[in-house]
Amino acid sequence: QQQVKQSPQSLIVQKGGISIINCAYENTAFDYFPWYQQFPGKGPALLIAIRPDVSEKKEGRFTISFNKSAKQFSLHIMDSQPGDSATYFCAARRIKAAGNKLTFGGGTRVLVKP
Amino acid sequence: DAGVIQSPRHEVTEMGQEVTLRCKPISGHNSLFWYRQTMMRGLELLIYFNNNVPIDDSGMPEDRFSAKMPNASFSTLKIQPSEPRDSAVYFCASRRRDRGFNTGELFFGEGSRLTVL
Repeated sequence: QQQVKQSPQSLIVQKGGISIINCAYENTAFDYFPWYQQFPGKGPALLIAIRPDVSEKKEGRFTISFNKSAKQFSLHIMDSQPGDSATYFCAARRIKAAGNKLTFGGGTRVLVKP
Repeated sequence: DAGVIQSPRHEVTEMGQEVTLRCKPISGHNSLFWYRQTMMRGLELLIYFNNNVPIDDSGMPEDRFSAKMPNASFSTLKIQPSEPRDSAVYFCASRRRDRGFNTGELFFGEGSRLTVL
């Protein structure tokens, strides 16, 4: 059962453009939504995360937008750079649940062309 | 500080052979996770441990897969016998349990790429 659905599967953007990745979740008990970034040959690494009590969080060129009523959240990469080329995973978790394991989306491969 | 250390980084084996993947979590982290990554299925959680105890192994695909964590600094994932469909990148990740409110970041190793011929 895929509880976090991510789209698109891949994305090509020109340098300086905006990359947008969307995720939708089903479990309304989720209360922590991180994004992980993975470069080829490496493990995923935490990029940015949000709690549902805020609608937006920004860190540098990366912004998470969160819509609790729609059960959707998205990652925006502003002024995309070739170094941002990577696979991005959204995820969700219930912080206080027993075990509180992370459920990942399917991933989006982003290619930023120079 | 050393991150999560996995070995081997690459393993090529023949169908039917036993495969053992190893993981050393970050010191002080008390949760450890094994994930499998494939193009078709993305990142799948296989099993995770809290304080060396397996909490949820519902993601382990078959009895051919087993995982152990004999102490806080070492874990193994074993496949016996291996099959071509087990070919994937296997990641180990660890997390520190903060006091009370655990939003804890997962720290991943660089993965073990397994090819079963």
